[in-house]
Amino acid sequence: GNSVTQMEGPVTLSEEAFLTINCTYTATGYPSLFWYVQYPGEGLQLLLKATKADDKGSNKGFEATYRKETTSFHLEKGSVQVSDSAVYFCALSGSYNQGGKLIFGQGTELSVKP
Amino acid sequence: DGGITQSPKYLFRKEGQNVTLSCEQNLNHDAMYWYRQDPGQGLRLIYYSQIVNDFQKGDIAEGYSVSREKKESFPLTVTSAQKNPTAFYLCASSFGTGTYEQYFGPGTRLTVT
Repeated sequence: GNSVTQMEGPVTLSEEAFLTINCTYTATGYPSLFWYVQYPGEGLQLLLKATKADDKGSNKGFEATYRKETTSFHLEKGSVQVSDSAVYFCALSGSYNQGGKLIFGQGTELSVKP
Repeated sequence: DGGITQSPKYLFRKEGQNVTLSCEQNLNHDAMYWYRQDPGQGLRLIYYSQIVNDFQKGDIAEGYSVSREKKESFPLTVTSAQKNPTAFYLCASSFGTGTYEQYFGPGTRLTVT
């Protein structure tokens, strides 16, 4: 079945640093790809998504490009803020025999210091 | 405002008691999901429902039960058979399964002592 692997955290950056959180996947067919963000004690919020190869999802300064040749969907931001401190989850749509559910990575904790 | 509500935010129970967590959505979504999240961990799927009066087990269904009598509601019961019930429980919904994104509620933190 489909699966996703994301880099382990925690990731600690200084304010205004460049952020990359790696996400790679294995999948049959053409899954959709997602990034979610979870702030402490809250539910997950959809950050961005891409539904086909070479699509770029973007939101709030975050970007990720659906790369089929490298099976990747890395999350990037040019200049992080303290308020970006959260846990980030990469996800993809499951295969038919997985009931089409979303498959989530383990999450990467980001801590941004002033 | 459309969204997903979960209540209560914090729930405390004694060991051996069943407890039911509420999840309501007014997004007109067909599919609903329950996840469990342990500290520093990812999400694990407990149950999901693609349509009213139908639901399927997820990866860790043992010790849990659900019902889907209305499109808007998908309550989760944590039974006394669940060996480690203390966790953060998240409910989500989507237009359907497959490529649709899921929308999450704020979660319920259950503590069983």
